[in-house]
Amino acid sequence: DTAVSQTPKYLVTQMGNDKSIKCEQNLGHDTMYWYKQDSKKFLKIMFSYNNKELIINETVPNRFSPKSPDKAHLNLHINSLELGDSAVYFCASSQDRWRGSTDTQYFGPGTRLTVL
Amino acid sequence: GEDVEQSLFLSVREGDSSVINCTYTDSSSTYLYWYKQEPGAGLQLLTYIFSNMDMKQDQRLTVLLNKKDKHLSLRIADTQTGDSAIYFCAETRIFGNEKLTFGTGTRLTIIP
Repeated sequence: DTAVSQTPKYLVTQMGNDKSIKCEQNLGHDTMYWYKQDSKKFLKIMFSYNNKELIINETVPNRFSPKSPDKAHLNLHINSLELGDSAVYFCASSQDRWRGSTDTQYFGPGTRLTVL
Repeated sequence: GEDVEQSLFLSVREGDSSVINCTYTDSSSTYLYWYKQEPGAGLQLLTYIFSNMDMKQDQRLTVLLNKKDKHLSLRIADTQTGDSAIYFCAETRIFGNEKLTFGTGTRLTIIP
């Protein structure tokens, strides 16, 4: 039973293309996140959604647009892909703190995006 | 702003204890976490500690928190080859948003 799943696992595409990465969680969590891990393994938050509402947007270019059709899904759409977008993108989810949780974030397996 | 620092590399002999260190700058950090990332894999939560605790033990893992010095450590007893991975510490704050701020990661290599 996968808690946080992402598709695809690998994505290879040409510069200038538009692509989407999908994320789903079956944990009943309220908040979902997208993180980017660069070639040096440095991890940084990109977006966070709580109950389909955007709550964090960390100065990510407008070419990146998250979409949350419901609280179990948070997709990442990227327009006009650039070489610098090559990275591993991780989705995560957590329960709200007011529900007595510890904000523990559970991560998906990652999507390795390669832009040629 | 928040900043989380770790040493990049650590080599330990199999059977010895590994100690991975982390320092952070944000005094309003609430929860501090340790995640493990094996090659080509996602992030696995190992353990966490609340800022009002000094120590937490979970089987082979011991987390020590020195709030005064803003220093967090993860000790792995009886290190095994399966412990080879990158270990990330991360923190969240009491107020504001819920984002995790990660350290740079420590690559642990086990020497047979």
